[in-house]
Amino acid sequence: AQKITQTQPGMFVQEKEAVTLDCTYDTSDPSYGLFWYKQPSSGEMIFLIYQGSYDQQNATEGRYSLNFQKARKSANLVISASQLGDSAMYFCAMRETGGFKTIFGAGTRLFVKA
Amino acid sequence: EPEVTQTPSHQVTQMGQEVILRCVPISNHLYFYWYRQILGQKVEFLVSFYNNEISEKSEIFDDQFSVERPDGSNFTLKIRSTKLEDSAMYFCASSEAHRFRGGYSNQPQHFGDGTRLSIL
Repeated sequence: AQKITQTQPGMFVQEKEAVTLDCTYDTSDPSYGLFWYKQPSSGEMIFLIYQGSYDQQNATEGRYSLNFQKARKSANLVISASQLGDSAMYFCAMRETGGFKTIFGAGTRLFVKA
Repeated sequence: EPEVTQTPSHQVTQMGQEVILRCVPISNHLYFYWYRQILGQKVEFLVSFYNNEISEKSEIFDDQFSVERPDGSNFTLKIRSTKLEDSAMYFCASSEAHRFRGGYSNQPQHFGDGTRLSIL
């Protein structure tokens, strides 16, 4: 069965520093996609970055990068040069090939300090 | 940038009443989804919809729930005889056609801002 685990309920980071949000997953399907979403206090879900299970390189999108370690089944999100606006809940998610549903982790709340 | 829109932003309903949550997916998207997030908990998949039929549903999506695409733009979630435990944020999402590259689907689902449903 699919499972996403985010072990950090809350994280603090100083403005302008980098932060890593952890995500591990479990699936028996060799083909899957991994996603990160940001949920600000206003409640909307914002897609950040995607990594495919067969991708050879780690995904990057601006200040976001995904540290994908397939053998360890981890897909950590790295935010470089944190900004105050990065304070939000961050969800790791996964979808298996041929499937339609995306399953989400419990989320990590990130607090960026000025 | 095109976005998924949901109405209303907040719905308050008496227990036992029917409620319809509305969504307008991104226009060129072909796959539509509903998720819910009970306050303080993780986002849970309810149902996916493609080609005018349900493609996948979770165990949460029982006979109380139904989805419909009544016209070319709207996608609705109906909850019959609402219960207190239906109180949650309901998210609609849509995605492009699932292009399979290297054996996996790489289309992210784009979410609306959600409808906060409060059952009294």
